[in-house]
Amino acid sequence: GENVGLHLPTLSVQEGDNSIINCAYSNSASDYFIWYKQESGKGPQFIIDIRSNMDKRQGQRVTVLLNKTVKHLSLQIAATQPGDSAVYFCAETGEGSARQLTFGSGTQLTVLP
Amino acid sequence: DTGVSQDPRHKITKRGQNVTFRCDPISEHNRLYWYRQTLGQGPEFLTYFQNEAQLEKSRLLSDRFSAERPKGSFSTLEIQRTEQGDSAMYLCASSSLGTYGYTFGSGTRLTVV
Repeated sequence: GENVGLHLPTLSVQEGDNSIINCAYSNSASDYFIWYKQESGKGPQFIIDIRSNMDKRQGQRVTVLLNKTVKHLSLQIAATQPGDSAVYFCAETGEGSARQLTFGSGTQLTVLP
Repeated sequence: DTGVSQDPRHKITKRGQNVTFRCDPISEHNRLYWYRQTLGQGPEFLTYFQNEAQLEKSRLLSDRFSAERPKGSFSTLEIQRTEQGDSAMYLCASSSLGTYGYTFGSGTRLTVV
């Protein structure tokens, strides 16, 4: 129903553990994917991106994995810290002049002390 | 700070009133986007400017909404005859032609009472 999105999937992890956040995307023609972090009252903040010609990309403490066969994206956060608590969104974009982003449903990550 | 600036941060208005929001993108970015985000959902694309030209509009952008970017720098989003369903966070983002990444502003939270 229309209210499904009000209940975000949640993930709780202990501080210091690794986190894995998953996302299913919809458009097989999408060629660029981004993970954003959004803290309460703030705009989305870029974390890491990946192009469709790659299946893995690493950043500082974060890794993005792309499986185009099943249209699945994941974000791995190593040694999760309290400051990582936020809502995480994946976004995709494809061809077209505007290159607007289509966002997936977010995941609320809570880091427990 | 050379990020994307949005003003105001919060706006409470009575139903039926008009409201206008402003976005100042990163100065060298020629692409500017407006998105809308409701509680628990990812941002949804509203419209896109390349320099001063509005090149794409979502079906979400009803005729009560109008956006401008008169000199290819800052942009305004106006909502006429506001309705309670317009209550949302309005996000602005900017990027450069030839790049994929966006930078989002912190948004304007609109509450229509």
